Amino acid sequence: DSGVTQTPKHLITATGQRVTLRCSPRSGDLSVYWYQQSLDQGLQFLIQYYNGEERAKGNILERFSAQQFPDLHSELNLSSLELGDSALYFCASSGSGGGRVEQYFGPGTRLTVT
Amino acid sequence: SQKIEQNSEALNIQEGKTATLTCNYTNYSPAYLQWYRQDPGRGPVFLLLIRENEKEKRKERLKVTFDTTLKQSLFHITASQPADSATYLCAPDNYGQNFVFGPGTRLSVLP
Repeated sequence: DSGVTQTPKHLITATGQRVTLRCSPRSGDLSVYWYQQSLDQGLQFLIQYYNGEERAKGNILERFSAQQFPDLHSELNLSSLELGDSALYFCASSGSGGGRVEQYFGPGTRLTVT
Repeated sequence: SQKIEQNSEALNIQEGKTATLTCNYTNYSPAYLQWYRQDPGRGPVFLLLIRENEKEKRKERLKVTFDTTLKQSLFHITASQPADSATYLCAPDNYGQNFVFGPGTRLSVLP
């Protein structure tokens, strides 16, 4: 158990809809990262937040947005969903201190768009 | 643009042998390089981190090397076991910014 929690575990929705994925980082971690992994595809970095501020942006679509709240949990919002958005979405956290930068991943949310 | 390549999509080896996985990167000057293990349908799990000024790092049966001149990292699993079967991802890092993972190598250790 990495200490990172993600909800929901599974999500099935229709095209055009909007969903929100939630992530709670490990206790004390200030950074949250979001990744997308499509079937048989690699991990694609979407966005990173550090202590509430956006720190880095990857290949995140304009239809997707994220935020990190004062309690450090994060939400990834996906709107105008398309079939191609079906994927596993992982959240990871880091930054417990000591200069280490390894990331701890949650169990993921499996999104199916029909 | 930055590019990460891992030697092969899949690698099959016999139990007890040493598995060697390769990670090559271009247009990068990573300060760290990390290796993760990912089982199907699960999140990656951190294994080892090696810094640019370290040549080699070991942890139990795992060994990682980092050659900044060749822009390459090698990941070795000695005395491999079927339980080591998984996909292994390398991740050259640049001070925690724009974190990018390699495509992964799927390792199968055959009994």
